[in-house]
Amino acid sequence: EVQLVESGGGLVQPGGSLRLSCAASGFTFSSYSMNWVRQAPGKGLEWVSYISSSSSTIYYADSVKGRFTISRDNAKNSLYLQMNSLRDEDTAVYYCARDRWEYGDYAGLDVWGQGTTVTVSS
Amino acid sequence: DIVMTQTPLSLSVTPGQPASISCKSSQSLLHSDGKTYLYWYLQKPGQSPQLLIYEVSNRFSGVPDRFSGSGSGTDFTLKISRVEAEDVGVYYCMQSIQLPRTFGQGTKVEIK
Repeated sequence: EVQLVESGGGLVQPGGSLRLSCAASGFTFSSYSMNWVRQAPGKGLEWVSYISSSSSTIYYADSVKGRFTISRDNAKNSLYLQMNSLRDEDTAVYYCARDRWEYGDYAGLDVWGQGTTVTVSS
Repeated sequence: DIVMTQTPLSLSVTPGQPASISCKSSQSLLHSDGKTYLYWYLQKPGQSPQLLIYEVSNRFSGVPDRFSGSGSGTDFTLKISRVEAEDVGVYYCMQSIQLPRTFGQGTKVEIK
């Protein structure tokens, strides 16, 4: 079964750090680009970051640039998000999501994890 | 950044009746490669989002044919031909012609 399982969320004080992990199974992780998408309480979806299959290309939303770092370990089938200098507005459920490519065309975020909750509060 | 605007923000539908959601982008989503990078997702209550439609009108694997997508350029529509109870949730459009990928605000669909 194709699956993504996030972990690492929790309660952290403003200015603190947290590292999220996403464990992939059921597919060849190293062949897929990956993303982090977040959802603040009662709000909509916000794309956070992208990493290509080989880690050669990385992008961030302006709201997290310079504070968050995306990475992956293809040998461990894992995706990570290092979050530093956390702010109240980073409070959200964080989802990892797989990019689907069909015949070279981008075909959407086709597999999502269940999400991990990050709460930034003093 | 490309702004995605959905209307309406909420919809109450009688089972068996049709429903339609509009999504407008602040810039054309038509790429020079001829493809249009517009996607639809559904987030059912208490669940993660799931892909429904890719590239405007292509249903993802397992998506019932009562769901259809249409549109071009900056104006897009998701239609449900006959709403069923399992279709409740929040629908989001998303663009991927440029980064950052951006989502619409979401449209909450309820059953009357």
